[in-house]
Amino acid sequence: QKEVEQNSGPLSVPEGAIASLNCTYSDRVSQSFFWYRQYSGKSPELIMSIYSNGDKEDGRFTAQLNKASQYVSLLIRDSQPSDSATYLCAVMTDKLIFGTGTRLQVFP
Amino acid sequence: EPEVTQTPSHQVTQMGQEVILRCVPISNHLYFYWYRQILGQKVEFLVSFYNNEISEKSEIFDDQFSVERPDGSNFTLKIRSTKLEDSAMYFCASTEVGDRYEQYFGPGTRLTVT
Repeated sequence: QKEVEQNSGPLSVPEGAIASLNCTYSDRVSQSFFWYRQYSGKSPELIMSIYSNGDKEDGRFTAQLNKASQYVSLLIRDSQPSDSATYLCAVMTDKLIFGTGTRLQVFP
Repeated sequence: EPEVTQTPSHQVTQMGQEVILRCVPISNHLYFYWYRQILGQKVEFLVSFYNNEISEKSEIFDDQFSVERPDGSNFTLKIRSTKLEDSAMYFCASTEVGDRYEQYFGPGTRLTVT
């Protein structure tokens, strides 16, 4: 059974802080990794993709991938209350498999 | 910016009835997907579709489900005889070129089976 694991949270951080979200996956042949943001009652919104080991930065977001450790993370710098949402890690094997998501709360 | 659209936004149906959920993928995308999310649970893959045929399907996607691209723009999911446990959000997604690339999701259809 191919799994994607995330801590369900909530992860609470103050406004302006760095939020760190983590994800592990079980299938070693996975090649594509994604972070989606999902607001309550809405659809997943793609915010980052990463395909090779190392860091990938896009604005306030940095995705990190370590295939040897089967670990993906997302850092959100200068967190804002509008970042409060559930963050879904998704891993592509023969299909896109989602984790259960980590709920992030950014308080003013 | 191009978006995936879905209709209806909310569908209420009685157990045993057939429902068709509709999606218009992004126009230059070639791969189409359906996912579902039961309230409070994870997003689950149902089926992927490319070149007018199913390329992958999950164990959830049994004989009660079917997909179709009836014309050049629409992509539909049909549930033949709905069960209470089919109540969920159904998301359509599309991607430009195969499964390495980013999938963009529509706003979803909330299906309520009574």
